[in-house]
Amino acid sequence: DAMVIQNPRYQVTQFGKPVTLSCSQTLNHNVMYWYQQKSSQAPKLLFHYYDKDFNNEADTPDNFQSRRPNTSFCFLDIRSPGLGDAAMYLCATSRGDRGIQPQHFGDGTRLSIL
Amino acid sequence: LAKTTQPVSMDSYEGQEVNITCSHNNIATNDYITWYQQFPSQGPRFIIQGYKTKVTNEVASLFIPADRKSSTLSLPRVSLSDTAVYYCLVGENQGGKLIFGQGTELSVKP
Repeated sequence: DAMVIQNPRYQVTQFGKPVTLSCSQTLNHNVMYWYQQKSSQAPKLLFHYYDKDFNNEADTPDNFQSRRPNTSFCFLDIRSPGLGDAAMYLCATSRGDRGIQPQHFGDGTRLSIL
Repeated sequence: LAKTTQPVSMDSYEGQEVNITCSHNNIATNDYITWYQQFPSQGPRFIIQGYKTKVTNEVASLFIPADRKSSTLSLPRVSLSDTAVYYCLVGENQGGKLIFGQGTELSVKP
């Protein structure tokens, strides 16, 4: 009964080769988030969608882009991955206001850069 | 930018009560305080959420003082399976950022 599903769980790409991570949800939540989590660190918010409205965090590099074609799906595109982009990428959803509603997380995609 | 701070690690024994405190001096007026549990290679899992005073559910309690500048997660009678990293998450009213604390690694020993 997984509610936030991330595919793949593990992704390997080459330095500079574009990569796309995907997230789907069965909760029908209107907010979807992407976080980056490096080893032994807290998740760091990259951006989020409130319905179709995209909200980028000020310190998110331009190398990271996102698409949300419909309520259920959201994608994270890394245009030219560098070695420093190796991390766990977490997708989360919530029903409404990001400061108030609990977030439901997927189990992440671990990205490795060769 | 104000920080959300937690102890880096805590040790406990099975059956004890564990209290983890998070400091969040710059919490936004309308934001709630949410605590998550994370096991290795998994996403964080919601534990409890509150706005003020005390909240209790089947797994934890959350104590929030009147000024809301801190919160304490209380885990009653921990077991080995409670070994995990615990994060608090609050909004920041400067720039409206949503910031996790750095996480508290709880180790429960037999």
